[in-house]
Amino acid sequence: DTGVSQNPRHKITKRGQNVTFRCDPISEHNRLYWYRQTLGQGPEFLTYFQNEAQLEKSRLLSDRFSAERPKGSFSTLEIQRTEQGDSAMYLCASSFGSTGTTLQFFGPGTRLTVL
Amino acid sequence: GQNIDQPTEMTATEGAIVQINCTYQTSGFNGLFWYQQHAGEAPTFLSYNVLDGLEEKGRFSSFLSRSKGYSYLLLKELQMKDSASYLCAVNDYKLSFGAGTTVTVRA
Repeated sequence: DTGVSQNPRHKITKRGQNVTFRCDPISEHNRLYWYRQTLGQGPEFLTYFQNEAQLEKSRLLSDRFSAERPKGSFSTLEIQRTEQGDSAMYLCASSFGSTGTTLQFFGPGTRLTVL
Repeated sequence: GQNIDQPTEMTATEGAIVQINCTYQTSGFNGLFWYQQHAGEAPTFLSYNVLDGLEEKGRFSSFLSRSKGYSYLLLKELQMKDSASYLCAVNDYKLSFGAGTTVTVRA
């Protein structure tokens, strides 16, 4: 399967715990995006990498959130001291290109439940 | 800021046509995407417009008017498997999504 993959697919944690999600983009895609989606809403942009450089972070991304893409391939999204409001589907997408117009392919998402 | 509006729900009969409208007011624009999302699954790409006019891809067509900040997705010959959420997204290197339109196809 050469699509975007995400692990784990589901994560249940207790409030206050730290969690880390992984995204493996389509091979050779230089751009990687993280979005968050809550029930009944469209995905909301969190952050974006071009190769290993994190180029933009949404104001939605509090200091408890951090994302990395150390070698320009896979990426991790960590949430520290989770809160119940962090419960959502976390989607990763990747694309190839250097202009503003690139087709983003989405992974299956990681569903986070904070108890 | 970004403001993208689309209807919350639509219902149609198998074999019919449904048109999902999307209006947008955004600070940047590099095209408009339509994605389909089945419950619990990832969004999958349907159609993309960067210039004004109609793009046709099989049973799905999408239209864009940049001057009016308006797009629509047309689904023809509806099938039960088309029951899903349809997301309008404005592209400005990142995607800004509407809340999605849930389409229910009835037999």
